Amino acid sequence: DVVMTQSPLSLPVTLGQPASISCRSSRSLVHSDGNTYLDWLHQRPGQSPRRLIHKVSKRDSGVPDRFSGSGSGTDFTLKISRVEAEDVGVYYCVQITHWPPVFGPGTKVDIK
Amino acid sequence: EVQLVESGGDLVQPGGSLRLSCAASGFTFSNYFMNWVRQAPGKELEWVANIRPDGVDTYYADSVRGRFTISRDNPKNSVFLQMHSLRAEDTAVYYCARGFEYSFDSWGQGTLVTVSS
Repeated sequence: DVVMTQSPLSLPVTLGQPASISCRSSRSLVHSDGNTYLDWLHQRPGQSPRRLIHKVSKRDSGVPDRFSGSGSGTDFTLKISRVEAEDVGVYYCVQITHWPPVFGPGTKVDIK
Repeated sequence: EVQLVESGGDLVQPGGSLRLSCAASGFTFSNYFMNWVRQAPGKELEWVANIRPDGVDTYYADSVRGRFTISRDNPKNSVFLQMHSLRAEDTAVYYCARGFEYSFDSWGQGTLVTVSS
């Protein structure tokens, strides 16, 4: 199975400041159809996960534009341009290019 | 609006069985793959099972293959997870997630399964 790693695993942030989370895969996530199926999910405390970004960089409807995804191959990044209080929680990357789907260990974001 | 509502979670003894349900609404259910994903307390997410729109093909994580069965009832807009031979390590919140274009695009609120004597 593909192995997904994230760093950092814990990220204390200051409101209004930027934040960045890295996700790496053990093999390229480029599918034979040319797409890269790497998503980012956000899970607030006590809630279910919510998809923020799919196919590396496509923001879901209703997701603020302060969230952006980038990367290719095996290295991916989620950036928050200016952290707001509602952004706390755990962020997961997940790959669905190769079967079975595999989630990263999660990065816990909280406010300093 | 897409809604997924799980039910059926409970406290069950090791070796026991349980059936989870997920009721879907707000979309054409028969057009979508459906998944079960679980999250043990304080742990990361783990994909469990997947079923094609027509229900013909199913896929399982190695950790549950042979013990869990995913099924669906398209006319009733529901997907199920039948779990047998439950172990302590199956304790988790089980989420129903819609699959579309190699992605989990909508999630339910989850149902808690606790395996303990």
